Amino acid sequence: SQQGEEDPQALSIQEGENATMNCSYKTSINNLQWYRQNSGRGLVHLILIRSNEREKHSGRLRVTLDTSKKSSSLLITASRAADTASYFCATEVPSGTYKYIFGTGTRLKVLA
Amino acid sequence: GAGVSQSPRYKVAKRGQDVALRCDPISGHVSLFWYQQALGQGPEFLTYFQNEAQLDKSGLPSDRFFAERPEGSVSTLKIQRTQQEDSAVYLCASSLVSTPRSNEQFFGPGTRLTVL
Repeated sequence: SQQGEEDPQALSIQEGENATMNCSYKTSINNLQWYRQNSGRGLVHLILIRSNEREKHSGRLRVTLDTSKKSSSLLITASRAADTASYFCATEVPSGTYKYIFGTGTRLKVLA
Repeated sequence: GAGVSQSPRYKVAKRGQDVALRCDPISGHVSLFWYQQALGQGPEFLTYFQNEAQLDKSGLPSDRFFAERPEGSVSTLKIQRTQQEDSAVYLCASSLVSTPRSNEQFFGPGTRLTVL
């Protein structure tokens, strides 16, 4: 069973607009990562935010983390057609395992 | 190669058949993960290796699933007596350091298994 739930499940926007997707999880975490998956390149790591961080930026990506609400958001600014993909959050659980828990994903479509 | 490679890319098996899926991690990467991804879902953790040691196999769904990494590089995921519910994409990922926590995983393209 998966821990993370992404919201929305699907999102369609025009090129140049911003895209925001959210991830909620259930237990305490060490860190949270966001990945992108498309048919051309498979799963690619985008950004990692640690549990003691609240916000992180990387290029056009902005990630926030609210551990009190057990949620994270990924903002993609000035979207491009090439951003069309599924986006997953993955949480590292501070337990005795090496398990990463992936969410169900948000399918983003950017229209040119 | 520059990235993680997996073979075969596609596999069709008849129910009850055994299959073996191969993963070639990035050279020098200590950590190796296997995930199962059903259609429309996120990847689900199966097992983790640190070099040749299988340190976590808590995600393997049944004793029909077996993974090995005998020399600490190439890994094989074997599924015995395949069932239709085993149909999924099987992803392999590797990570450079011996402590995989808080580190980026590099994913292979996956093997799409279809069990008829």
